[in-house]
Amino acid sequence: DGGITQSPKYLFRKEGQNVTLSCEQNLNHDAMYWYRQDPGQGLRLIYYSQIVNDFQKGDIAEGYSVSREKKESFPLTVTSAQKNPTAFYLCASSTFGTGTGELFFGEGSRLTVL
Amino acid sequence: QQQVKQSPQSLIVQKGGISIINCAYENTAFDYFPWYQQFPGKGPALLIAIRPDVSEKKEGRFTISFNKSAKQFSLHIMDSQPGDSATYFCAASPLNAGNMLTFGGGTRLMVKP
Repeated sequence: DGGITQSPKYLFRKEGQNVTLSCEQNLNHDAMYWYRQDPGQGLRLIYYSQIVNDFQKGDIAEGYSVSREKKESFPLTVTSAQKNPTAFYLCASSTFGTGTGELFFGEGSRLTVL
Repeated sequence: QQQVKQSPQSLIVQKGGISIINCAYENTAFDYFPWYQQFPGKGPALLIAIRPDVSEKKEGRFTISFNKSAKQFSLHIMDSQPGDSATYFCAASPLNAGNMLTFGGGTRLMVKP
């Protein structure tokens, strides 16, 4: 089955620690995205990547970092610089280009900072 | 600043009733308006989408109404069912910006049996 796999589903972190969330897709999509979901604020874009070895900051990139070394993988690191990291994180992918392709989302990773 | 404002934040509807969720946008460059449906513990999935060359699009029990002059669009769920209970997000993007969606804040819908 084609889709997006995020891991871990739940993650607890102590303050001051970095944590990396995994996102893998087998849809052969060029573009991948990371969103943060908080109650009442919808989905906010953290980073996106349209091709391998290239990525751009979204609206709330501060305190986060990403890499795109393979087409299938787009890991997100939540660094200790992120002041309020407790949230639900969603990874998505799509075909790339002008127009209106569908975003396909993973099932999310819920990060809790203790 | 939220460029797409969605209301209400939560909605309770009886089975068989009509659920209505509204969104308003500010950016006149927006040219594509999808709705995503998210069940608890899952990622959102595309439900229905509209472009502004039409004022209405219907897929089964789901209808998008679009008012370009007012910069508003809405989702109507006819004959709402308990299985429709989910969080709904409206979104918008310019047509020439790939899939760079700006999402509304979400509406949590509960359909009572």
